[in-house]
Amino acid sequence: DAKTTQPNSMESNEEEPVHLPCNHSTISGTDYIHWYRQLPSQGPEYVIHGLTSNVNNRMASLAIAEDRKSSTLILHRATLRDAAVYYCILTQYNFNKFYFGSGTKLNVKP
Amino acid sequence: EPEVTQTPSHQVTQMGQEVILRCVPISNHLYFYWYRQILGQKVEFLVSFYNNEISEKSEIFDDQFSVERPDGSNFTLKIRSTKLEDSAMYFCASSGSHTEAFFGQGTRLTVV
Repeated sequence: DAKTTQPNSMESNEEEPVHLPCNHSTISGTDYIHWYRQLPSQGPEYVIHGLTSNVNNRMASLAIAEDRKSSTLILHRATLRDAAVYYCILTQYNFNKFYFGSGTKLNVKP
Repeated sequence: EPEVTQTPSHQVTQMGQEVILRCVPISNHLYFYWYRQILGQKVEFLVSFYNNEISEKSEIFDDQFSVERPDGSNFTLKIRSTKLEDSAMYFCASSGSHTEAFFGQGTRLTVV
């Protein structure tokens, strides 16, 4: 499975945008880019996913580089509830399994 | 909103005992998964299940582990003879065809 690289931790102020980067230089043409997050003491939660084009949903936006070797998860206005570990994961088209890395621990300051 | 339900939320068992962790996936989902997370470590894939059989499994999922979908609604993970190192949070997940996975809140297994 293709590997992703994320910063160990990031910090943001409440109500400000957050850009969480992910590098995936060995991505293959059939790999989807998924983002999940894990709030303290909870199971992972789906955030967003995409293949080539940028994606928006009610939780976040996903910006995918033209060469697909990197992507950025954008939280438009961070809240305290967004403090979590964010995982960038590559999966094959059938979404058969997810390999979680260490993720980025996001701390949101009031 | 539909959700994946896991029971029990916490299970304590003695080393060597069998334990069954239960999950009720989202009703129209086709793919089912078990993951585990040892305290302070990464979420690790154990097994995926589709069409009443295992579709993929990791190296962790050895002969001590088995999965079953006994009645069309429940999805269970059995550990035959628990070891201390099996202590972890176990997460069940389900997904539709080519859709995101929904995870349960987990069962904390403590082996003493």
